[in-house]
Amino acid sequence: NAGVTQTPKFRVLKTGQSMTLLCAQDMNHEYMYWYRQDPGMGLRLIHYSVGEGTTAKGEVPDGYNVSRLKKQNFLLGLESAAPSQTSVYFCASSPDRGRLTTPQETQYFGPGTRLLVL
Amino acid sequence: GNSVTQMEGPVTLSEEAFLTINCTYTATGYPSLFWYVQYPGEGLQLLLKATKADDKGSNKGFEATYRKETTSFHLEKGSVQVSDSAVYFCALGGAGSYQLTFGKGTKLSVIP
Repeated sequence: NAGVTQTPKFRVLKTGQSMTLLCAQDMNHEYMYWYRQDPGMGLRLIHYSVGEGTTAKGEVPDGYNVSRLKKQNFLLGLESAAPSQTSVYFCASSPDRGRLTTPQETQYFGPGTRLLVL
Repeated sequence: GNSVTQMEGPVTLSEEAFLTINCTYTATGYPSLFWYVQYPGEGLQLLLKATKADDKGSNKGFEATYRKETTSFHLEKGSVQVSDSAVYFCALGGAGSYQLTFGKGTKLSVIP
């Protein structure tokens, strides 16, 4: 199993350009997540998905869009990049936990994508 | 809302020293608690977790006990190694929520 993979590993964009980050998982997980990591801020959730065809906003969704057309893939899009979106982006996935009242499952993280917006 | 507070770093220890990284949380209900570790240049990986009060999570010599009375989940290791140098994140998975709430991370450096 490759686990969670992310492409690309590193990208430089100019302000106003667009790009898509791809996350893929081979663990048949139902839930997938996109986080950004900034110095001194920990990880902050951008968007997440609880199943194929569903998406929801996290803590910092502005400036990003997502799509989950296939269960194994979760795409993060930046339509018009800004310097404030310079960050390291992590994708994660976790199994279905059934009822929301059951304990949260472990999330499995990809290796990250480093994005620099000039 | 949910929140996690963990001790500020960086923390520098000599090899074989005792490690404590404090983590306290605010949450409604009975959250799940996690410690994740991030080695340089890598993604996060689960170190240990606990899902109910008084549970002790342990892995690779690290331990943490879910203390509801003090709303804490402190990470400990009796004897650290150079290979333990990494950033450690405390995280909370709220009941009724899909999201994890992370602390800001504590960078640990272990010197020979």
